[in-house]
Amino acid sequence: AQSVSQHNHHVILSEAASLELGCNYSYGGTVNLFWYVQYPGQHLQLLLKYFSGDPLVKGIKGFEAEFIKSKFSFNLRKPSVQWSDTAEYFCAVSWDSGGYNKLIFGAGTRLAVHP
Amino acid sequence: EAQVTQNPRYLITVTGKKLTVTCSQNMNHEYMSWYRQDPGLGLRQIYYSMNVEVTDKGDVPEGYKVSRKEKRNFPLILESPSPNQTSLYFCASSSKTGSGGYTFGSGTRLTVV
Repeated sequence: AQSVSQHNHHVILSEAASLELGCNYSYGGTVNLFWYVQYPGQHLQLLLKYFSGDPLVKGIKGFEAEFIKSKFSFNLRKPSVQWSDTAEYFCAVSWDSGGYNKLIFGAGTRLAVHP
Repeated sequence: EAQVTQNPRYLITVTGKKLTVTCSQNMNHEYMSWYRQDPGLGLRQIYYSMNVEVTDKGDVPEGYKVSRKEKRNFPLILESPSPNQTSLYFCASSSKTGSGGYTFGSGTRLTVV
């Protein structure tokens, strides 16, 4: 079955440190890739998405992600994190499943940024 | 404003008492889904709907029902809730192409005692 793996469940950083969150998926066909963020007590918000074209995708709040097809990876990066980036981050993958755009999620990575 | 509206935000109920969580979207999206979020497991799909009167099971459908009588509404029904259904639930919608990604509701935190 298709799956999405996020490498780290918890990450703790100091402000201004660089961030990279790993994401790998198992589906071998054409996929769409997403990163969502969930701030404490809130719903999921879309950070960025990849459908086609340039594999380096820029999203909101200074985040970017790189799609590496040969590695089935879609890692999220930010050069310098802020305290306000404390949240849970979810990688998600969708593909055409019998005419339906099925979306599955990784288990999430909790990021804590200390001042 | 384009949005997915879920109600209620918080719900505490007792085992076996039927409940319904409502979900409505104003974007004319074809696809709608319900997910439950549990610590360490991410979001798992319960049911989804490709269009009016078209629904299908997701990965964890046991104990849940849905209906899609109108395009904008996709209620989640727990006929006989049990404590293992205590969770955070999200409704989401997407266009048929999925090009905009899924839009999520604010979530419903359900506690079954």
